[in-house]
Order: sequence, then structure tokens, then C-alpha cells
Amino acid sequence: DQQVKQNSPSLSVQEGRISILNCDYTNSMFDYFLWYKKYPAEGPTFLISISSIKDKNEDGRFTVFLNKSAKHLSLHIVPSQPGDSAVYFCAASLPYNNNDMRFGAGTRLTVKP
Amino acid sequence: DAGVTQSPTHLIKTRGQQVTLRCSPKSGHDTVSWYQQALGQGPQFIFQYYEEEERQRGNFPDRFSGHQFPNYSSELNVNALLLGDSALYLCASSWGQNSNQPQHFGDGTRLSIL
Repeated sequence: DQQVKQNSPSLSVQEGRISILNCDYTNSMFDYFLWYKKYPAEGPTFLISISSIKDKNEDGRFTVFLNKSAKHLSLHIVPSQPGDSAVYFCAASLPYNNNDMRFGAGTRLTVKP
Repeated sequence: DAGVTQSPTHLIKTRGQQVTLRCSPKSGHDTVSWYQQALGQGPQFIFQYYEEEERQRGNFPDRFSGHQFPNYSSELNVNALLLGDSALYLCASSWGQNSNQPQHFGDGTRLSIL
């Protein structure tokens, strides 16, 4: 039962353009959402998070949008840089249980110079 | 400030054997969670340890067990290894059992079962 889905296994964008990574979830009880970035041979690195009481959170070039009614969140990277090339995982957790995260399968982002 | 460290980085075992993986949490963290990441998939939650006790458990059989020590480090034990146990095993740490703080991950142990 995959409660968090990333339907695009890969995405390719040009340097300087916007990258938009999408994530859908099925459990309306999730209240905390995170994005992690993973380089080969390294563990996932926390990127940005959002609580269900918000619909947007911004940190530099990274912005996460949450649409609770559609059970959808997205990560926007503007402008995209070649160093952003990595696998991006969306994750979600239930109230008072944020150490049990449910992950999507990941989207491989390639930013071309 | 050391991050999450895991050992070993790679391990090869045969079916039926037992394995122990180790994790030291990030300095200042007291909660450790273990995840299994199969090829092409996202990490799947195995269990969480806090105050030396297993607090939460995902959908994994009893062959998967763990331990947390007084210094907050943790071990993951897998008995009667199956071919399907081949995966990257990730340890993640955070402060507090239910704080809204993101977990920090180690680089993982790549386990291969022959």
C-alpha cells in the first residue's frame, strides 16, 4: 500500500530554468511533509519541509507547495543548477509520529548545463 | 559535529545467515530509526528506537530486530537472511520521539545476499 507516490521517475531541465517535482499522497491524516535529496553513495539529505497548516514554504531557491484538498505537494527549484542533479524523495508522516516517514519512490532530476 | 555514521558500508552474506548493522546518531540526537531501501524504491520504515526501546514498527517480520544503547547508538539485526533482504539499509536520527524535526540520514549499509 503505497501512500506516497511520485509518478515521474525522471525529469530533465535546462540550467537556469524551473524544476517542478510532484508528489501525491493518499492518507489525509498526514500532517508533515518533507523533501530529501540523494546523491549516489550518500544518504538522503533533508531539503525542505512543510506542515499541513501551511500551503507554502520557501527556502532560497527551493519552495514547497501543499494542496491538501488535492493531496498533492510539489517542489519548485528556481533557478535550477547542475549541482541540483540528484534523486529527490517526497516523504510524509502522521501526527506525533514523524520518525515513521512514508517515502515516495523518488524522481531523478537532471539539470543540463 | 559528526553526522550519522553507519558501519559497515558494504556487506555480503549468504541465505540463512545473520547480520548486524550499526549506527551512531548525529551528536545531540536521541532517537534512531531504521529504513530499508530496495533498488528503485524509496526508503521503507523498519522501526524506531527511543530511550532504548522499540517505539514504532513498520511492516517487517520478526526476523528484523534491533537495539539501542545508553549512548543512543543502535544496531539492526536480521536473522535467517533471504535473497529479498538485499537492499540499502539506512539509519536516521533526530531529537525527541515526536518532535517536528527532520531526520538526518547516514550513508547506509549496502547488504547483498547471495
